[in-house]
Amino acid sequence: DQQVKQNSPSLSVQEGRISILNCDYTNSMFDYFLWYKKYPAEGPTFLISISSIKDKNEDGRFTVFLNKSAKHLSLHIVPSQPGDSAVYFCAAWRSGNTPLVFGKGTRLSVIA
Amino acid sequence: IAGITQAPTSQILAAGRRMTLRCTQDMRHNAMYWYRQDLGLGLRLIHYSNTAGTTGKGEVPDGYSVSRANTDDFPLTLASAVPSQTSVYFCASSQRTGSNGYTFGSGTRLTVV
Repeated sequence: DQQVKQNSPSLSVQEGRISILNCDYTNSMFDYFLWYKKYPAEGPTFLISISSIKDKNEDGRFTVFLNKSAKHLSLHIVPSQPGDSAVYFCAAWRSGNTPLVFGKGTRLSVIA
Repeated sequence: IAGITQAPTSQILAAGRRMTLRCTQDMRHNAMYWYRQDLGLGLRLIHYSNTAGTTGKGEVPDGYSVSRANTDDFPLTLASAVPSQTSVYFCASSQRTGSNGYTFGSGTRLTVV
């Protein structure tokens, strides 16, 4: 039973346009949601997070939106740059000594 | 430079052999984790440790064992490797899970033949 779902394995976007990566979850008890970025031959790195009590968090070109009623979050990258090309993982956490739960990832390609 | 060190970076292993993947962190983080990454399956948790002396099973623990004798080290052992354990293995640590998430190592690429 997959608790965190990223239904789009890949996404291609033109440089300068907006990239929107989507994530759905099933467990309404999650307290935090996080996005990680992964380049080939490197470990994932933390990008941005949002608490379940908020609906938006912004950090430079990256904004995460949370819709709790729909159990859906999205990562917006504006404007997209070629260096943003990577695999993006959505993750969720429930308070207590529980590990993060990751989605399967979405490969973003930003085309110059 | 503070962070997580994984060794080896890559390995080709004969099926049936025993192998230990090493993971060391110098951030004094309490919790440590092992994930495997497979195409189309994302990051799946193998084992974790919330603090030195304790371990727990993740989503795919079979065929793997871990130990946490101290804060810094969290080795992952494959007692008798099988081809389905061919994967990229990532070690991670966190002071606590939450808004800042994990710090990951660079991974070990393991091929079992």
